[in-house]
This record gives sequence, C-alpha cells and structure tokens, in this order.
Amino acid sequence: ETGVTQTPRHLVMGMTNKKSLKCEQHLGHNAMYWYKQSAKKPLELMFVYSLEERVENNSVPSRFSPECPNSSHLFLHLHTLQPEDSALYLCASSQEWASGAVGYEQYFGPGTRLTVT
Amino acid sequence: GEDVEQSLFLSVREGDSSVINCTYTDSSSTYLYWYKQEPGAGLQLLTYIFSNMDMKQDQRLTVLLNKKDKHLSLRIADTQTGDSAIYFCAESLNDYKLSFGAGTTVTVRA
Repeated sequence: ETGVTQTPRHLVMGMTNKKSLKCEQHLGHNAMYWYKQSAKKPLELMFVYSLEERVENNSVPSRFSPECPNSSHLFLHLHTLQPEDSALYLCASSQEWASGAVGYEQYFGPGTRLTVT
Repeated sequence: GEDVEQSLFLSVREGDSSVINCTYTDSSSTYLYWYKQEPGAGLQLLTYIFSNMDMKQDQRLTVLLNKKDKHLSLRIADTQTGDSAIYFCAESLNDYKLSFGAGTTVTVRA
C-alpha cells in the first residue's frame, strides 16, 4: 500500500449506531488531518494531529471523536450521528503540520462516503 | 475572513484552454494551492504559488496571482478529457491550516 488509505470507502449507518473510520498513511509523515466534504461547500477542517497530539479541534460536535494511536494511523469514532452528518470524510497527512512551506503539502486519501439514515 | 470563492461549474471543449478563477480574502496568505479531485478519489495537489510571485508555469498549467485584487487563476492549456474533475483553490492561513473553496467542476466535452 502506498500513500494514504481509508476504510471503509462507503458506510451507511443509523442514527443510533456506533462506527469508526480508519485512515493509514504510508508516507512517514508526522501530521494527520480529518476533513468533512459536503456537496458544493468548502472542505471543513475537523481535527489535526501532530506527532499523535491533537493541535486543532475545529468546534466539531462531540459525536465525532478522533483517535491517533501513532503517527501512521488516525481514527474517527462516530456515535449518534445526524442525517446532516452525511458527507465525504477525507483524511490527509503532511510531513510536518506546517502547510505554508514547500514540501509540507497535504496528501489526501480517497475518503469515506458516509450516509446517515 | 477566511473565505475562498470559486465558480461552481465550467464546461470546455476538448483542445481549448480552461481558466478557473478564485478569490481569497487573507492578504497574509503565504502559499496558494490548486488541488484536483477526480471521481471517487481524494484531493491531489496540482500546483502551488508563493505569494511573492505573479505567475508560475508547469507544463500545461499556468497559475496567475494578482495579490492586489486577491485573485488567483489556473489555466489548463489543450484541455483533455482526463482533465474533467473538481478543482479546488486553497490558501494557507498559518502553519497547518488550509482554507479551501467549494470547488469548480470542470466538464470537458468532445
């Protein structure tokens, strides 16, 4: 496996379910990100981890709970979601958590398409 | 503010040039980026420009930056069917935050 992988690619869950999204990066990067992509809206940054420590929590509801056990893996635990949480959830990684410099660009996974019924 | 705005759709004939426009609000942005998203895939970095540059060319891609008007454009020469995708403009706000536009869906017709 190369780059950034995400599983599952598609997920349908009821509002009372608990599920987890998984992201794995094979690039040796130190920072990982969760984004929410809704149709025709800008990407929303949800969480940032640098060296397994959370450095950003962008006013995300507590029904989304991230976990970063090591610099290669990132999880997003989901519980009691709402239909408006249906979206594409993208994971990204970068060499460091500085995006404003050459070489620190973010590499994205293919995303998990989440549907909440 | 942190708004990045782009038009939502662009249709172009194969072989013509495509121009995708973007406006941003933060004059202190260091880098501005163009990402491409193909169906079923994540975002792929296409090119970037440093804020002290006016233009950058990379094969079929030309990025123009008008810092005074906070306007960024991406020109794709000789557009091909493989260029059909969603293109996102993004500005770097600080060390790790990127602010993205909503994306421009480019459709290439034969």
